[in-house]
Amino acid sequence: KAGVTQTPRYLIKTRGQQVTLSCSPISGHRSVSWYQQTPGQGLQFLFEYFSETQRNKGNFPGRFSGRQFSNSRSEMNVSTLELGDSALYLCASSFRGTFTDTQYFGPGTRLTVL
Amino acid sequence: SQQGEEDPQALSIQEGENATMNCSYKTSINNLQWYRQNSGRGLVHLILIRSNEREKHSGRLRVTLDTSKKSSSLLITASRAADTASYFCATAGSARQLTFGSGTQLTVLP
Repeated sequence: KAGVTQTPRYLIKTRGQQVTLSCSPISGHRSVSWYQQTPGQGLQFLFEYFSETQRNKGNFPGRFSGRQFSNSRSEMNVSTLELGDSALYLCASSFRGTFTDTQYFGPGTRLTVL
Repeated sequence: SQQGEEDPQALSIQEGENATMNCSYKTSINNLQWYRQNSGRGLVHLILIRSNEREKHSGRLRVTLDTSKKSSSLLITASRAADTASYFCATAGSARQLTFGSGTQLTVLP
């Protein structure tokens, strides 16, 4: 089985722009979660989608949004980028999304905001 | 916000030695998972231990969980240079998310 894939792997944007990141889960997995990793704040939960519905959201401003498609692929969008949004964005997938099972992570998208 | 702390923040050992990392958390959990991350890449799942389990083994890994103390430890036996990475614990509770610790940077010297 192919693992979780994320595109693009690297991205450079300037302040004020917006960005869309994509995540394709493992085949058959219906839950996709997104995390932000920075040196200062560590790994922080952004949101989780299951069957095209957002089931949980972390403590991030409304500039961060996401969606999930019927094939379970997910996108996250960050509008009006700020320097502090520079981070590694990781997505994870699981079959049931109950978090009683293993979360499988993708390689991440490294976003740099200039 | 992060669930808890990992101890130590950094650990440097010689190849062949054992490495022990500790994780403390704050709230009740369903399970605790350990992940490895190499140089800012994705997280690789190592092991999951459920709240009703006390110890679990997987190859050279041994994980313990003490829910009364809200703590866990990861032991890597006979370390190799390839084990050099950051190690994170993550807890899963009633909310649909993982809450990560701050991580331990392990360096295994050849």
